[in-house]
Amino acid sequence: GEDVEQSLFLSVREGDSSVINCTYTDSSSTYLYWYKQEPGAGLQLLTYIFSNMDMKQDQRLTVLLNKKDKHLSLRIADTQTGDSAIYFCAEIPNSGYSTLTFGKGTMLLVSP
Amino acid sequence: DTGVSQNPRHKITKRGQNVTFRCDPISEHNRLYWYRQTLGQGPEFLTYFQNEAQLEKSRLLSDRFSAERPKGSFSTLEIQRTEQGDSAMYLCASSLSRQLGETQYFGPGTRLLVL
Repeated sequence: GEDVEQSLFLSVREGDSSVINCTYTDSSSTYLYWYKQEPGAGLQLLTYIFSNMDMKQDQRLTVLLNKKDKHLSLRIADTQTGDSAIYFCAEIPNSGYSTLTFGKGTMLLVSP
Repeated sequence: DTGVSQNPRHKITKRGQNVTFRCDPISEHNRLYWYRQTLGQGPEFLTYFQNEAQLEKSRLLSDRFSAERPKGSFSTLEIQRTEQGDSAMYLCASSLSRQLGETQYFGPGTRLLVL
């Protein structure tokens, strides 16, 4: 089946770096995404990476892509308590339509 | 650009009743998606429109579910004869085809509770 895998939980202290990992399924996925969801809210797009890139940096966020291993990671530098949320990795498999396949999400808890 | 909006934000209904949700996409976005999210899970795709045409439906979309996008702008999702298993957050997203990243922008969701 098609499963995007993520670790379920990560706890860090404020000011540390957080690294959230994801393994995706379709090596021909063109784009890979990271979304953030706060309690009771919809999904907020954080960043995306095109499959021909290895790395993308956007302020405190760094995305690393290893196509060979189908591994995606999101690094958050100087993590703040406001970063506490669930983070979803998602891909658009090369199945013909632009529908997202999500992982189950990683809950990030940032303690003061 | 006011973002994707969804109404209502919350809906409580009794088993067997019909419910309808509305989604207003970002203006000029030609693609519209419905997803369902249950507790502890990521969103799961339900159906997808390009303009007014419904191009794909998931196996999750039983016969009790119907979606429309009559003028290629807003969309409605109707659930007939609701069941307790329909309790979930229903998320709508929109995107603009040929936009770099094919990025989907999500609304706040409609949380459905079926008693």
